[in-house]
Amino acid sequence: GAVVSQHPSRVICKSGTSVKIECRSLDFQATTMFWYRQFPKQSLMLMATSNEGSKATYEQGVEKDKFLINHASLTLSTLTVTSAHPEDSSFYICSARDLAGGRDTQYFGPGTRLTVL
Amino acid sequence: GENVEQHPSTLSVQEGDSAVIKCTYSDSASNYFPWYKQELGKGPQLIIDIRSNVGEKKDQRIAVTLNKTAKHFSLHITETQPEDSAVYFCAASLEAAGNKLTFGGGTRVLVKP
Repeated sequence: GAVVSQHPSRVICKSGTSVKIECRSLDFQATTMFWYRQFPKQSLMLMATSNEGSKATYEQGVEKDKFLINHASLTLSTLTVTSAHPEDSSFYICSARDLAGGRDTQYFGPGTRLTVL
Repeated sequence: GENVEQHPSTLSVQEGDSAVIKCTYSDSASNYFPWYKQELGKGPQLIIDIRSNVGEKKDQRIAVTLNKTAKHFSLHITETQPEDSAVYFCAASLEAAGNKLTFGGGTRVLVKP
């Protein structure tokens, strides 16, 4: 299957700082990427849909000014958690939509563990 | 919007036995149903998917069945091995609407050697 990478894999930051997470599709182009949040022993919660060259679409209850998304190229989307607080600590996972060959499949990155002190 | 229910939440099987996980969905328009395997501390890995134009799909020890009328689909793992131990998620989406996935709650599978 297609490969999606995330960087960093884990990050620890102080409360009030901003953290940027990168999501890259390594062997395919993705006009659409998705950002999820996952709490321990829970399912994935969709935060936003990232579209190359346009504004992201946020799910209800997700603050767009807190979770800034930029999809500047067909292989890279970034999520910036601004003014992070301990309650933002979570596992953040991205996925990229692969439309090559007539299929429509989502491949997930390995996730980023964010800990806010 | 779409709602996906997944059962059971935990499943313990003996190595070599079969495991079955069931999901139901609410939106009859959904037409794409992937299954993901997630190991501890890692991202979900696509293991098999099915589209609504087929009723069953098989890939070695893994199979998925879809009943559109009843709006449910199931994952079958045969001859389970310890490395099958993980959390499995089903999902549903409408491809024409951007393929935004709605996930089930997950099933924690433990294969005992």
